Amino acid sequence: QKEVEQDPGPLSVPEGAIVSLNCTYSNSAFQYFMWYRQYSRKGPELLMYTYSSGNKEDGRFTAQVDKSSKYISLFIRDSQPSDSATYLCAMRAQFYFGTGTSLTVIP
Amino acid sequence: SAVISQKPSRDICQRGTSLTIQCQVDSQVTMMFWYRQQPGQSLTLIATANQGSEATYESGFVIDKFPISRPNLTFSTLTVSNMSPEDSSIYLCSVEGLAGLQETQYFGPGTRLLVL
Repeated sequence: QKEVEQDPGPLSVPEGAIVSLNCTYSNSAFQYFMWYRQYSRKGPELLMYTYSSGNKEDGRFTAQVDKSSKYISLFIRDSQPSDSATYLCAMRAQFYFGTGTSLTVIP
Repeated sequence: SAVISQKPSRDICQRGTSLTIQCQVDSQVTMMFWYRQQPGQSLTLIATANQGSEATYESGFVIDKFPISRPNLTFSTLTVSNMSPEDSSIYLCSVEGLAGLQETQYFGPGTRLLVL
């Protein structure tokens, strides 16, 4: 099973429609979630990022994270022809710490 | 966010040849990353380019096939060696940066490679 699953589409919607893009993941250690937009013949550009479960809104875009279901979504309202692109979800884990090493320097 | 440029933007190469892709960043960064994006697939990390030490390769990628240079904190090259048609892909350079308080990755425009 892949760590991140995303429907490759293609998805075609009429102008003005609400678009829902989704990803599921399997690693519960993922804490940071990002959406990238990639126009044809361009590199991916960061569109939105979020940390916690819940919604984050930026203009016509809303990122939603449901950690209990390991499911993230990107909603695009009033979709425009300029939104035509490939949308990539990305995620990463939190930091992991070792137990620590106690050091004493003896004078 | 960092401004990243790549050269060449695209190339068509013959089987068995090698191509070196350059990545230039407008600011000093500790780590630079090289990804491959094959048609219809997501990004696959090839290696992390560290300044002053050897690159760190991901499983399935080896230095002989994808040698990397990182001579300073703003520049890196990736060479695709002894190319075959299976190497046809988009190669992307990226760096880490801050988006708000969160570390994220910023990407170059990519190099589109077609191997005949």
